[in-house]
Amino acid sequence: AQKITQTQPGMFVQEKEAVTLDCTYDTSDQSYGLFWYKQPSSGEMIFLIYQGSYDEQNATEGRYSLNFQKARKSTNLVISASQLGDSAMYFCAYPQGAQKLVFGQGTRLTINP
Amino acid sequence: GAVVSQHPSWVICKSGTSVKIECRSLDFQATTMFWYRQFPKQSLMLMATSNEGSKATYEQGVEKDKFLINHASLTLSTLTVTSAHPEDSSFYICSASYGALHYGTQYFGPGTRLLVL
Repeated sequence: AQKITQTQPGMFVQEKEAVTLDCTYDTSDQSYGLFWYKQPSSGEMIFLIYQGSYDEQNATEGRYSLNFQKARKSTNLVISASQLGDSAMYFCAYPQGAQKLVFGQGTRLTINP
Repeated sequence: GAVVSQHPSWVICKSGTSVKIECRSLDFQATTMFWYRQFPKQSLMLMATSNEGSKATYEQGVEKDKFLINHASLTLSTLTVTSAHPEDSSFYICSASYGALHYGTQYFGPGTRLLVL
């Protein structure tokens, strides 16, 4: 089964700075996708961005972008110009059989004013 | 589009009672629905996968007699926690999927916080 690893339990960043959240995965699949979700304190899971393994370019959605390194099996989330509202838990996830999602342990991001 | 609702958002119950949580896809027909459980400061753990009209598939270690899942229609799935005990207190989140662009795309409900006294 695929394994997703987020090695940063917590990150603290000053407002307006950029932050990179790490995610590595272990898979033998040739074609796959990776998701990033944000979970604020309210608990809802908010989809942020998706990267397909055969996408030629790194995915970008507004202030969110991915640094996808296929050979290293990593997909790091970059948040530019961080805002106080970015404080939340962030999860990367890998879809496996029957469209199930396997989630990483998560990273708690705190943006300091 | 692709909105999923959950009801109730909060529930407090006495030990030994049963609690039902509803998950609805509001603007699409969900081929598959998922139920997750999340303890404080931990990740989401998949409990079961359900398809409309068929029995749910439970993950290893999840008691199917305790966590009853019914997926009666393409827009509604319910999770019933039977004879709830304090250790069942947790955050329960459902999600739904259909033939979306990206394989594995799931749309999440807002979650239900269960506290068993």
